[in-house]
Amino acid sequence: EDQVTQSPEALRLQEGESSSLNCSYTVSGLRGLFWYRQDPGKGPEFLFTLYSAGEEKEKERLKATLTKKESFLHITAPKPEDSATYLCAVQSGNSGNTPLVFGKGTRLSVIA
Amino acid sequence: ETGVTQSPTHLIKTRGQQVTLRCSSQSGHNTVSWYQQALGQGPQFIFQYYREEENGRGNFPPRFSGLQFPNYSSELNVNALELDDSALYLCASSSTTSYTTFGSGTRLTVV
Repeated sequence: EDQVTQSPEALRLQEGESSSLNCSYTVSGLRGLFWYRQDPGKGPEFLFTLYSAGEEKEKERLKATLTKKESFLHITAPKPEDSATYLCAVQSGNSGNTPLVFGKGTRLSVIA
Repeated sequence: ETGVTQSPTHLIKTRGQQVTLRCSSQSGHNTVSWYQQALGQGPQFIFQYYREEENGRGNFPPRFSGLQFPNYSSELNVNALELDDSALYLCASSSTTSYTTFGSGTRLTVV
C-alpha cells in the first residue's frame, strides 16, 4: 500500500527565514511525486511534479527535490503570502490517471 | 482553458438524507476523480470515472456512488448521510499525459 508521511505538521516562520518541508514515501513503482498548495477552504493548487531521484524544480521562492525515499520542499526567504498548507502526493503505475495518495500536509505560517 | 468547477460551494444536510454534488472537468481531460478531505487531513480517494465507467475505488462504502456524463462532467451521490461524512469534497480531472487538477470543492456539513 502506498503511503506518504509529511513533517512537520505545522511550521511557523518569520518573514525571510528559510526552511524545508519533508515528504517521506513508500510506493510500488513511482510514476510521480506531486506538491500542491492549499489555501483554507480551497482546492489544492498544483506546484510541481518530480519523476526521478535527483530531479529538482523551482518556482519563485520554492524548490522541490526528490530522492528514492523522500522529497523536500525548500522555501527561501518566505513572505506572508506563502502561508498555506502544502500537500505531498505520490502516483504509482504508468498513467496520469492513476489516483493520488496524499499525506496530511504541512501548515505553514509566515509572520511579517 | 477552463478549470475544474464544482457546485454547490457549501451545503448543509441532515443525517440520513441524500446529497448530489456536481463537477465540470477541465477542458481536454477525460478522467474525473472524487476525493474526500476531512478537517486537518489530506484528500482521500473515493473513486474515479473514465468513459462513463467507474474504473477505480478507494475504501468507501457503496452509499457513495457516482456518474460521468458524455461531456466528462460528473456527479457524486451520497446516500444515508452520516455525521462523519462532513468534509470538503474535491473533484479532480486528469488525462493520461497531464497532472491532476482540482476544483475548489464543496463543503458538506451533516447535522
